[in-house]
Amino acid sequence: GAVVSQHPSWVICKSGTSVKIECRSLDFQATTMFWYRQFPKQSLMLMATSNEGSKATYEQGVEKDKFLINHASLTLSTLTVTSAHPEDSSFYICSVRTGIMNTEAFFGQGTRLTVV
Amino acid sequence: GDSVTQMEGPVTLSEEAFLTINCTYTATGYPSLFWYVQYPGEGLQLLLKATKADDKGSNKGFEATYRKETTSFHLEKGSVQVSDSAVYFCALMEENQGGKLIFGQGTELSVKP
Repeated sequence: GAVVSQHPSWVICKSGTSVKIECRSLDFQATTMFWYRQFPKQSLMLMATSNEGSKATYEQGVEKDKFLINHASLTLSTLTVTSAHPEDSSFYICSVRTGIMNTEAFFGQGTRLTVV
Repeated sequence: GDSVTQMEGPVTLSEEAFLTINCTYTATGYPSLFWYVQYPGEGLQLLLKATKADDKGSNKGFEATYRKETTSFHLEKGSVQVSDSAVYFCALMEENQGGKLIFGQGTELSVKP
């Protein structure tokens, strides 16, 4: 299957600072990447769909100015949590779809963000 | 809108016991169905999938059959191992939704020796 690398795997930051999370597809070109958020012992909630070369599509209730997504190339999408607060502490996971006709999604290993 | 409902956990079993984790879905179209597994501190790994009615997905001893008449995709394993302890997510993907996955709430499985 496709290999998706997410970095960093964990990060601790102070309130008010910004944190960037990278998601890379290592062995294929991903036109679409997805960003999910997972609270402890809960399911994954889709935050946004990232399309290469265009603006991301955010799900209802997700603040686009707070969670900045950039999909600058076919192998890299970034999620920046701006002015982080403790309530932003969560597990963030990216996934990619290898093609329009492909029904399988591959996930990164996730990033544990803790805001203190 | 589309949704996935899983049986609540945690589920605690002894090694070699039979496992069933129920999953039902609501969808407007004809979705593909998935089971993902998440080990502690890690991302999700695809366990198995089925893309149309009556398909059976299987992997590592786990099985699930796409039942359109009951809108279900229950996960089963005949004999669980301690190493199967993880959180299991049922999910669906609609073809006209751009590849977006909708997840159930997850079921934590703990297998004791």
